[in-house]
Amino acid sequence: EDQVTQSPEALRLQEGESSSLNCSYTVSGLRGLFWYRQDPGKGPEFLFTLYSAGEEKEKERLKATLTKKESFLHITAPKPEDSATYLCAGVNAGNMLTFGGGTRLMVKP
Amino acid sequence: NAGVTQTPKFRVLKTGQSMTLLCAQDMNHEYMYWYRQDPGMGLRLIHYSVGEGTTAKGEVPDGYNVSRLKKQNFLLGLESAAPSQTSVYFCASSPPGADTQYFGPGTRLTVL
Repeated sequence: EDQVTQSPEALRLQEGESSSLNCSYTVSGLRGLFWYRQDPGKGPEFLFTLYSAGEEKEKERLKATLTKKESFLHITAPKPEDSATYLCAGVNAGNMLTFGGGTRLMVKP
Repeated sequence: NAGVTQTPKFRVLKTGQSMTLLCAQDMNHEYMYWYRQDPGMGLRLIHYSVGEGTTAKGEVPDGYNVSRLKKQNFLLGLESAAPSQTSVYFCASSPPGADTQYFGPGTRLTVL
């Protein structure tokens, strides 16, 4: 059974305090690892797809990396507007997504 | 270009009532999906469709039915609602062979 686990469940940061979110996965025939951002009361918004170990992608203050067992979402000098829940998901050989429980990020000014 | 839209946004049902949630997409995507999101459980796939007229079961299909009569619409039905179906429901769509799924804004359903 495919499994995706995110940690921590919640993270409080001061504005400018860099940190990383972790996503551990066991996904059969992993075809890709996704990161989404979800704001309260809204649907998940696509951020990145990573396809192979060693791959990195960046968008503004966010950088996603992938190893054979984990993915990390690094947040550099976060701002209050980065506060959201960040979801990761693995897609298996059958094109089905398995989501982690998410990390709720709160950035205080 | 509205992307993925869902109606209604909110609904309260009594146990045993039925309802249909509508998902529409204007991106000409082949694949469509219904998920439910519960606290601490993440998003779980209910049913999905890989094209007009086709549907398949996901991880948690019991108590739900779906139909894809038109390419742009994917309907999720609850024939006899139960309190365990209280959740936020999300629809998503994607092009064939593409991994990125685009999500709608969600429907918050409460079953009393």
